[in-house]
Amino acid sequence: QQQVKQSPQSLIVQKGGISIINCAYENTAFDYFPWYQQFPGKGPALLIAIRPDVSEKKEGRFTISFNKSAKQFSLHIMDSQPGDSATYFCAASMGGSQGNLIFGKGTKLSVKP
Amino acid sequence: EPEVTQTPSHQVTQMGQEVILRCVPISNHLYFYWYRQILGQKVEFLVSFYNNEISEKSEIFDDQFSVERPDGSNFTLKIRSTKLEDSAMYFCASSGAGWGYTFGSGTRLTVV
Repeated sequence: QQQVKQSPQSLIVQKGGISIINCAYENTAFDYFPWYQQFPGKGPALLIAIRPDVSEKKEGRFTISFNKSAKQFSLHIMDSQPGDSATYFCAASMGGSQGNLIFGKGTKLSVKP
Repeated sequence: EPEVTQTPSHQVTQMGQEVILRCVPISNHLYFYWYRQILGQKVEFLVSFYNNEISEKSEIFDDQFSVERPDGSNFTLKIRSTKLEDSAMYFCASSGAGWGYTFGSGTRLTVV
């Protein structure tokens, strides 16, 4: 019940396309859902986060869609660029933005020029 | 932009030796964390620290692990007697009120 399931494991998208990564959870006590971007040899960097009282949040080319009833949330990257090539992790927390994070297994995104 | 600084970037140690991983969190943050990532796998929570004490720890964080904030700026993770399976990337993170974590670039620990 503590798991966050992430798919797909890897994703190849053409430059300018839309990248979509999905996550699902079971524990309804989760109250904070961030997405992290990680480049090789670096730590995860917070991209965007959402709380369960909101169905969508957009920041630039990145959008989180949140479906509370289905217990799913997804990251959409519009106009994907080669510089977006990285590993993306979804996560969930029961303690808000300070709580310990349960991470998904990650999605390796490759954006082809 | 403020950063979380971790040292060393890479540490090689013999099995059974003690290691100390060091972190300097962002100065006005109050919550501190250690996570680890075994190569190619997901990031796993180890421990959180607030108000000079452990607030939460995972099953991974057994008696071989300890954390300390020895002064106003450093935050350390000690592994008393390292095992081969402790080889991983260790990330320190800190958090301020109302916003999420900032992770450091990590320390790659290799136990031989």
